[in-house]
Amino acid sequence: QKEVEQDPGPLSVPEGAIVSLNCTYSNSAFQYFMWYRQYSRKGPELLMYTYSSGNKEDGRFTAQVDKSSKYISLFIRDSQPSDSATYLCAILGLRGGSEKLVFGKGMKLTVNP
Amino acid sequence: DVKVTQSSRYLVKRTGEKVFLECVQDMDHENMFWYRQDPGLGLRLIYFSYDVKMKEKGDIPEGYSVSREKKERFSLILESASTNQTSMYLCASRGRGYEQYFGPGTRLTVT
Repeated sequence: QKEVEQDPGPLSVPEGAIVSLNCTYSNSAFQYFMWYRQYSRKGPELLMYTYSSGNKEDGRFTAQVDKSSKYISLFIRDSQPSDSATYLCAILGLRGGSEKLVFGKGMKLTVNP
Repeated sequence: DVKVTQSSRYLVKRTGEKVFLECVQDMDHENMFWYRQDPGLGLRLIYFSYDVKMKEKGDIPEGYSVSREKKERFSLILESASTNQTSMYLCASRGRGYEQYFGPGTRLTVT
């Protein structure tokens, strides 16, 4: 079983739709849960992070973590064409005594005007 | 703002050439990372460094080496480039927090 699984999509939605992006993970020792956004021809940039179960909101974005199910989600409300990008979940944990950030494969999102 | 720069955006090299990819960060970060990103495979860690002259292997170090002689600079070296090393290479740095800051990437083509 892979450490982090993410549906690679792609996903295409109309402007204004609610978008749900999801990842599952296998190692219960993982501690920090992040979402990175990567625009075309750019490096990823951190969008949100959380370290506990529950929801965290930042404007139109909500990150949700369910540690009991090892499931993380990113919701985008009122999606905009500018949200078109690849979204990568990333989970930080310990491996071999050192910290390691494990990325999902990324979901390409297109928001159509 | 943290800035991570990479020496080239696009690079074309021939099989067997020695290739150097340079990365510089301006935030005095201790940790630096090299990833490659491929369709369907996502981001995979090649090497990382947590201090000057220190390096650790990531998940796919074969065919690569690294050098960190100065804190702000982390170099990735392809000793003898092969076509299966055609990829997007991303450098990142991290300070005391958990966020990794990425450069814009170098798209390397080996022919």
